[in-house]
Amino acid sequence: GESVGLHLPTLSVQEGDNSIINCAYSNSASDYFIWYKQESGKGPQFIIDIRSNMDKRQGQRVTVLLNKTVKHLSLQIAATQPGDSAVYFCAENSPGANSKLTFGKGITLSVRP
Amino acid sequence: DAGVIQSPRHEVTEMGQEVTLRCKPISGHNSLFWYRQTMMRGLELLIYFNNNVPIDDSGMPEDRFSAKMPNASFSTLKIQPSEPRDSAVYFCASSLAGTGAAKSKLNTEAFFGQGTRLTVV
Repeated sequence: GESVGLHLPTLSVQEGDNSIINCAYSNSASDYFIWYKQESGKGPQFIIDIRSNMDKRQGQRVTVLLNKTVKHLSLQIAATQPGDSAVYFCAENSPGANSKLTFGKGITLSVRP
Repeated sequence: DAGVIQSPRHEVTEMGQEVTLRCKPISGHNSLFWYRQTMMRGLELLIYFNNNVPIDDSGMPEDRFSAKMPNASFSTLKIQPSEPRDSAVYFCASSLAGTGAAKSKLNTEAFFGQGTRLTVV
């Protein structure tokens, strides 16, 4: 039969509202987490990162929250703008001799004018 | 710095042909990653190098895929022979990874190139 493409979950928000994008990571030993933003036709771009010894980190208009108890990561965007429309990925770094970044599936953020 | 540079940006080739994708990482970075992105599977890590040495190639789909990093400023991903199901966007990324006891503390973000869109017909 015909394969079905992966449909990313979509978050639709009104311009000016705050956005919260959530991510569940898989490895309880992961020690470093990053949020990336990917616009159409471009590679993923770094937004903000957080290490496992922290539970919150703030940037310009963005905040990342880390809850290690439930292996949950969230990205909060204040006063969402049309330019924030993109696919957002969380990535976790697994420690050890062969540490590497593993990406989640991604969430599409759509900002309504 | 110009960032991670990939070439070509677009590649269209016929099934069975050899395809070579190229990447120049950011100067000073010691880790290099090759990813593949498709609608079906999202972003998949194919292989990564640390100090020019392949560390983990468990994501390489099959023997048709090979990657090399002859020096700190250049890497290639080769597909031979190519198949239509290889059609995807291939990204190269580089980062500065810590070593020894500081390894987990010095890992930094991976910077991505613009990608190569490969179409195999």
